[in-house]
Amino acid sequence: DTGVSQNPRHKITKRGQNVTFRCDPISEHNRLYWYRQTLGQGPEFLTYFQNEAQLEKSRLLSDRFSAERPKGSFSTLEIQRTEQGDSAMYLCASSSDTVYEQYFGPGTRLTVT
Amino acid sequence: AQTVTQSQPEMSVQEAETVTLSCTYDTSESDYYLFWYKQPPSRQMILVIRQEAYKQQNATENRFSVNFQKAAKSFSLKISDSQLGDAAMYFCAYRPLEIQGAQKLVFGQGTRLTINP
Repeated sequence: DTGVSQNPRHKITKRGQNVTFRCDPISEHNRLYWYRQTLGQGPEFLTYFQNEAQLEKSRLLSDRFSAERPKGSFSTLEIQRTEQGDSAMYLCASSSDTVYEQYFGPGTRLTVT
Repeated sequence: AQTVTQSQPEMSVQEAETVTLSCTYDTSESDYYLFWYKQPPSRQMILVIRQEAYKQQNATENRFSVNFQKAAKSFSLKISDSQLGDAAMYFCAYRPLEIQGAQKLVFGQGTRLTINP
């Protein structure tokens, strides 16, 4: 069990550019979650996958955001035309049908300049 | 919508002493889960303790225990014999049951805990 991994750990981009983050959940976990955390705040839910199906999306997930989990394993989160307000830590978590605790990855810190 | 409130942005405690972090939440559901997560500086979030709302007994994990007051919608975390490694941001979180749909965690704003040697 190697835990939840996320890449890259840090990303600096210029406003207007597109960025993509990757999350690899714990191997036996079929549920995957994305959260966003701004400085000094608690994480906020973005979206949730059960296997490859995206079952819920937050209103925070604007049209510029898209998430995929094509084979029910790793997931990607893409932000198009980044804005300075997108600067945050993007956290991924995973769980299974039998274990309700969510295990978090180290996060990807995005800075939009 | 469910909300979680942590009214203490910062707390400090002397090493080896006891500290209690407060959390209140709002929900119309009768069954749910509550969690405390710890986020050390520049490190990932880890689960400290969980409580199922249908259980009257307060959860305990070694030096960590909770005081769950369902009627008051209060869920405080007590850390006994505080250690330097306990220094972190602590987040209280709520999660509905499976049958209530979304599996998302709803977090409070966090409490930064400092341990004074």
